[in-house]
Amino acid sequence: SQQGEEDPQALSIQEGENATMNCSYKTSINNLQWYRQNSGRGLVHLILIRSNEREKHSGRLRVTLDTSKKSSSLLITASRAADTASYFCATAPPSGSEKLVFGKGTKLTVNP
Amino acid sequence: ETGVTQSPTHLIKTRGQQVTLRCSSQSGHNTVSWYQQALGQGPQFIFQYYREEENGRGNFPPRFSGLQFPNYSSELNVNALELDDSALYLCASSLGGSGLEAFFGQGTRLTVV
Repeated sequence: SQQGEEDPQALSIQEGENATMNCSYKTSINNLQWYRQNSGRGLVHLILIRSNEREKHSGRLRVTLDTSKKSSSLLITASRAADTASYFCATAPPSGSEKLVFGKGTKLTVNP
Repeated sequence: ETGVTQSPTHLIKTRGQQVTLRCSSQSGHNTVSWYQQALGQGPQFIFQYYREEENGRGNFPPRFSGLQFPNYSSELNVNALELDDSALYLCASSLGGSGLEAFFGQGTRLTVV
C-alpha cells in the first residue's frame, strides 16, 4: 500500500512559471524525499528533508515539511521544458532505514 | 548517473516461468532495496537486503525472493510469473540506517505474456 498522496495528479504549465506539488502522508517519518522520474525510467533523487526541518532549498527547488499536518510541498521555480517528468514523494520510517513508501506521483508537463 | 546498474533493461517472459533480475550497488553502499512499479503507480517496496541478510519485506508473496552477495550486489527472483508481475523493477542502493537518500538504478522492464 502507498502512504503518500501527491496532489495534483497532473499539472500542465508554461515554461517560466512555477510548479507546486503537494504530498500528504499518514505515519511518523524520519525524513521525506522527492524524486523525479522521466518516462518510466529510474528515479532521480532531488532533495531530502528531515523531520526536524521545515524548509529546504536546492537550486530552483524549494521543499517544505509540516509534520503536524503530515504534508510536504515541492516548488519548482522558473520551470523549463526539461522539468517535464513525474515527481514522487517518499517517506522513510522513524528508524531511519531506507524502506521508502512512495505516493502515486504528480505528472508535470512544462510547455515551451 | 547514480552508479547503480541493473540488468537486463528489458525482459519478456511467459506466464509460469521464472526470472532473475540483477543489481550492482553503488560503491560503499551495503544496502539494496527492491521496488515494483506498475504502470501509472508509484514504486512499492518489495524487500531490502542489508549485509547479505533480508532486512524487511513488503506485501509480496514468497515467490518473490532475493539474494545479496558479499560485494553487496543483489538479485531479485520471481517464480511462477503472473501477468500482474509485469512492471518496472527498481533497485535502490544506500548506506543502511544512515537516514540518507537512496540511489536508484534505471530499472528492468518486465513483461509477462
